[in-house]
Amino acid sequence: ETGVTQSPTHLIKTRGQQVTLRCSSQSGHNTVSWYQQALGQGPQFIFQYYREEENGRGNFPPRFSGLQFPNYSSELNVNALELDDSALYLCASTLAGGGQEQYFGPGTRLTVT
Amino acid sequence: GESVGLHLPTLSVQEGDNSIINCAYSNSASDYFIWYKQESGKGPQFIIDIRSNMDKRQGQRVTVLLNKTVKHLSLQIAATQPGDSAVYFCAEGLSGYSTLTFGKGTMLLVSP
Repeated sequence: ETGVTQSPTHLIKTRGQQVTLRCSSQSGHNTVSWYQQALGQGPQFIFQYYREEENGRGNFPPRFSGLQFPNYSSELNVNALELDDSALYLCASTLAGGGQEQYFGPGTRLTVT
Repeated sequence: GESVGLHLPTLSVQEGDNSIINCAYSNSASDYFIWYKQESGKGPQFIIDIRSNMDKRQGQRVTVLLNKTVKHLSLQIAATQPGDSAVYFCAEGLSGYSTLTFGKGTMLLVSP
């Protein structure tokens, strides 16, 4: 167990809807990253938050957005869901500084129909 | 849980064999590399890491080798056990940046 928790475990949404996924970081970790993992692929970096500010973003459109709270928990929001958004969404926490091991949560499986 | 291993390269070994999983990384500037293990329905689990100033690092039953000349990383698992069956990902990163770029993954199947 990494100490990183995510909710919900599974979620089914309809195309065009909005979704919010949640992540609670490992205690003491002030940096959280979100990844999208399509079936049979490696995780793809979405964005990272450090001290409640976005601190790097991958190749994802603006309808993917996030928040980090003072207690370092975070949210991933996706608007106008598309079928291709169906994936496992992973959050990972780490201490700022880079080159550090990232601790992953179990993920949220999102299915868009 | 659902499979994370569809359409992935697969390595099949017998219990007790040594396994070698290979990875080609993409960014010659990357200076930090990690191997993760992902079991079905779970998030990636850290196995071992290595920095670019090293070419070999050993852990418990695992060894990572780094060849920066050809941008190649390998994970060696000694005395492979059925519990080692999973998908293995290499990931690369840059010091000062916490983001990671993951490879495509290899499924390891261990037969008793």
